[in-house]
Amino acid sequence: SQQGEEDPQALSIQEGENATMNCSYKTSINNLQWYRQNSGRGLVHLILIRSNEREKHSGRLRVTLDTSKKSSSLLITASRAADTASYFCATASVIQGAQKLVFGQGTRLTINP
Amino acid sequence: NAGVMQNPRHLVRRRGQEARLRCSPMKGHSHVYWYRQLPEEGLKFMVYLQKENIIDESGMPKERFSAEFPKEGPSILRIQQVVRGDSAAYFCASSPRPGDRVNTFGSGTRLTVV
Repeated sequence: SQQGEEDPQALSIQEGENATMNCSYKTSINNLQWYRQNSGRGLVHLILIRSNEREKHSGRLRVTLDTSKKSSSLLITASRAADTASYFCATASVIQGAQKLVFGQGTRLTINP
Repeated sequence: NAGVMQNPRHLVRRRGQEARLRCSPMKGHSHVYWYRQLPEEGLKFMVYLQKENIIDESGMPKERFSAEFPKEGPSILRIQQVVRGDSAAYFCASSPRPGDRVNTFGSGTRLTVV
């Protein structure tokens, strides 16, 4: 499997339900980031969690990080139709001063009204 | 602040032609990253540049692809003699300093090779 691999690949839920997406990775990281991409658009940065953090919240988003299992999860509570998008996790390593992001293949989330 | 600007948004090229993709980073940002996204996949790192320097091009194909970030003007990703497999979305991200935790992404250029 690739670095930053998301699970599930596709998720369809009803509006108002919670959506949970998981991400696994293989190598050591500086931080892990979650992005959203609406169809045909660019990436929007959602949240960053550092390697020494275990949980982080931002509005309806909750991210956890377990470095011992090399995994992270993104929880979106009280989902809305506007949350329909692809969600990517990206592991970040700083090498030669550059923050290189390694993205997973993404989870396609569909919120049904 | 206009954010990271990429142009064109869509580019169609015939096989064998050249494609030039431009990226203007956010004001005050001197570090640029290029990523490629194939259909139904995540983004893959291509190259990291600072003004007038290529720092890391480990993700860039050895042939036909080149990138620059001149002292003045946008960063350019150039693909010579395009092939169908080059069809993808190409994203640029910028940051104000090396190793900055959050990079700002542009909206991408969607290249279609026919």
